[in-house]
Amino acid sequence: SQQGEEDPQALSIQEGENATMNCSYKTSINNLQWYRQNSGRGLVHLILIRSNEREKHSGRLRVTLDTSKKSSSLLITASRAADTASYFCATLPNAGGTSYGKLTFGQGTILTVHP
Amino acid sequence: DTAVSQTPKYLVTQMGNDKSIKCEQNLGHDTMYWYKQDSKKFLKIMFSYNNKELIINETVPNRFSPKSPDKAHLNLHINSLELGDSAVYFCASSQTASGNTIYFGEGSWLTVV
Repeated sequence: SQQGEEDPQALSIQEGENATMNCSYKTSINNLQWYRQNSGRGLVHLILIRSNEREKHSGRLRVTLDTSKKSSSLLITASRAADTASYFCATLPNAGGTSYGKLTFGQGTILTVHP
Repeated sequence: DTAVSQTPKYLVTQMGNDKSIKCEQNLGHDTMYWYKQDSKKFLKIMFSYNNKELIINETVPNRFSPKSPDKAHLNLHINSLELGDSAVYFCASSQTASGNTIYFGEGSWLTVV
């Protein structure tokens, strides 16, 4: 079954505005990751947040994690046209013991940033 | 240099044919994956190999058979192609099997007609 679900499915903003995407998941996780996919390309890893972390920053990206609500958000500040892409959250479940990398991806949020 | 490379990028073939997609990673990673992305962009893991050993085998038709000749290569062979197999297939790798950062290839667009 699908683990991560992103919200909204599509987001359209103007350059310079902030973009916030949310991800909800169902089971206990080891970590949650965000990936970006440009049209016609592969996925690129953006940031990983572990289950014992609440917030993480990387450049213009800020990720929060609320394990009590089983949700995460990705904030892109001062967006640029080049940020136009699909953004996916992926969760690694807490399987106990060895947890092979069975990342489960959501369906993504399509972000369009207008110049 | 491309980290995870897969070929071909585009493949159009008729129903019933057998086709292969090749993948190579030059990152020195232990673990490789095949993911399938459908028309709704839903990405689902199919297989994973760690040091040439199959560790993840999701419920996929047995027409799909992965082969890992060494830990830098993971190929996907598909027999008796069906219309529903049309999708984008992504090869990926990670340093270990622990589920941290995964590096994706550029995808192979398979269209079955």
